[in-house]
Amino acid sequence: GAVVSQHPSWVICKSGTSVKIECRSLDFQATTMFWYRQFPKQSLMLMATSNEGSKATYEQGVEKDKFLINHASLTLSTLTVTSAHPEDSSFYICSAAGSGNQGRHEQYFGPGTRLTVT
Amino acid sequence: ELKVEQNPLFLSMQEGKNYTIYCNYSTTSDRLYWYRQDPGKSLESLFVLLSNGAVKQEGRLMASLDTKARLSTLHITAAVHDLSATYFCAVTSGGYQKVTFGTGTKLQVIP
Repeated sequence: GAVVSQHPSWVICKSGTSVKIECRSLDFQATTMFWYRQFPKQSLMLMATSNEGSKATYEQGVEKDKFLINHASLTLSTLTVTSAHPEDSSFYICSAAGSGNQGRHEQYFGPGTRLTVT
Repeated sequence: ELKVEQNPLFLSMQEGKNYTIYCNYSTTSDRLYWYRQDPGKSLESLFVLLSNGAVKQEGRLMASLDTKARLSTLHITAAVHDLSATYFCAVTSGGYQKVTFGTGTKLQVIP
């Protein structure tokens, strides 16, 4: 089946620093990747959609200069949280959707990255 | 704007009992998903429902879709403790690009 990995699985950083999270599709080509954030005991909120080789589309209310998304290849997307603050502490989950028959009707979710900003 | 609501938000039930989780959505959808999330973990895909009247079953879980009523149900039969988790429904519209998640239902099965 389609597998999506994320790295790191958890990270602690100091306020004001930047953190990069990687999302990889391991056994299929992901033409589209999605980034979600989830606060404790809440649902998932879509942050942005990225298509390989083009700029990400951000949801309303998500600061594109703070959450930098790069989708440089068909297997890798990165989310960089710049100048992180404690309120950015959250569970970040990526998902990937492929082309053709694989992943066509479904997004495959990564294991998530827990970010804690101190 | 597509809105997805689930009820109940929290469900505590005894082992062996049956119960149903409801998922309502506000606009026409392409497809509906059910996911399971364990604490501290990501999402596990349970079902994808593509058309009106679709019914899928896996073990003690059965999902159905009524697109006319914009309603999906997740029925739990003879619950066991291992089913304790948070369940999300999610809906796409305008192609599979954008998925909107429901509020989630936290299920606690008591031995």
